[in-house]
Amino acid sequence: KAGVTQTPRYLIKTRGQQVTLSCSPISGHRSVSWYQQTPGQGLQFLFEYFSETQRNKGNFPGRFSGRQFSNSRSEMNVSTLELGDSALYLCASSTPVGDRDTQYFGPGTRLTVL
Amino acid sequence: AQTVTQSQPEMSVQEAETVTLSCTYDTSESDYYLFWYKQPPSRQMILVIRQEAYKQQNATENRFSVNFQKAAKSFSLKISDSQLGDAAMYFCACRSGNTPLVFGKGTRLSVIA
Repeated sequence: KAGVTQTPRYLIKTRGQQVTLSCSPISGHRSVSWYQQTPGQGLQFLFEYFSETQRNKGNFPGRFSGRQFSNSRSEMNVSTLELGDSALYLCASSTPVGDRDTQYFGPGTRLTVL
Repeated sequence: AQTVTQSQPEMSVQEAETVTLSCTYDTSESDYYLFWYKQPPSRQMILVIRQEAYKQQNATENRFSVNFQKAAKSFSLKISDSQLGDAAMYFCACRSGNTPLVFGKGTRLSVIA
């Protein structure tokens, strides 16, 4: 079974621009979560989607948004980029049955804001 | 709210030796799950081991095992016969129900040949 995939893997943007990151979960997984990882703050939860509905949201400004499609693929969008948004963005998926509590991660998207 | 604390920012171990990484957590939930994830330089977060809180038996996965002390809210990871490929950041994490996964700050493990 293919793992979680994220595109693009690397991205360079300038302040004020917006960016969209994509995540395709493991086949059959319906829950997708997003995390931001920075050296200073560590791993911070952004949001979680299940069956196209946002189930949980972290403490991030409204510039960060996401959505999930009917095929469980998810996108997150960051508008009006700031230097502090430079980070590794990780996506994780989990199955609604069995080890539903376990999240499997993708390789991440490295975003650099100049 | 859940919290996870890893008190060892860095650890090192000789190849073929055993090392233990510490983790403590706090949660008000009675049903929760604990995890150790490994993040090598490639940055891919890899699941190492998983423990259900209601199970008293400690989880094991090949050379990796945990010491789960529920009353003390402690969840340490033991790596036996350490290999060069074990060098990575190790994150302890906790999750209950549909709440988000909460991570510790991580422990950087170096393996010395």
